[in-house]
Amino acid sequence: AQTIHQWPVAEIKAVGSPLSLGCTIKGKSSPNLYWYWQATGGTLQQLFYSITVGQVESVVQLNLSASRPKDDQFILSTEKLLLSHSGFYLCAWTTNSDYTFGSGTRLLVI
Amino acid sequence: AQSVTQPDARVTVSEGASLQLRCKYSSSVTPYLFWYVQYPRQGLQLLLKYYSGDPVVQGVNGFEAEFSKSNSSFHLRKASVHWSDSAVYFCAVSYRGSALGRLHFGAGTQLIVIP
Repeated sequence: AQTIHQWPVAEIKAVGSPLSLGCTIKGKSSPNLYWYWQATGGTLQQLFYSITVGQVESVVQLNLSASRPKDDQFILSTEKLLLSHSGFYLCAWTTNSDYTFGSGTRLLVI
Repeated sequence: AQSVTQPDARVTVSEGASLQLRCKYSSSVTPYLFWYVQYPRQGLQLLLKYYSGDPVVQGVNGFEAEFSKSNSSFHLRKASVHWSDSAVYFCAVSYRGSALGRLHFGAGTQLIVIP
């Protein structure tokens, strides 16, 4: 069975500090991978997508970057956090048109 | 441009009552349609999806949705809600042939079920 694991579960970080969020997919080879962001009380926006190792496309500019160092891994990062980065980050993968979401990482920037 | 509209930001119903959450999409082609539920402090769970065929689709926990091409709508229904249904419900669409596989979400509807 395919599983999707996100880490960490939650973070409290200072403005200007670096950030790294991770997502690992097990049981599925060469998945399409996505990062979504949800501002507190808001809807979800797709940030990045990747269809293969080493290839990442940006959808929304939020002073964040993403990388796919392995087939089953997707990393979201920034060197300097902003207050506006607070929210809920979800990783997802798709096969055909079915999406599976991770349990998310809740980020609070103070 | 494609968009998804959920006109009700919050819906309050009594336990045991019926429920309808509205969703309308705007596009020139029929998309894939989804309803997701988000419980407090959790990720998204798929309730149901529509790709083609019978316009009424059944989902988990007694939820169903009806696709209407003429109205560009995909409303979610439940005959009798339970207090545990309290959550935020998102309607989403994606488009056939889209290499991005991008999901477009509505703003969400918060459902409050009063015991």
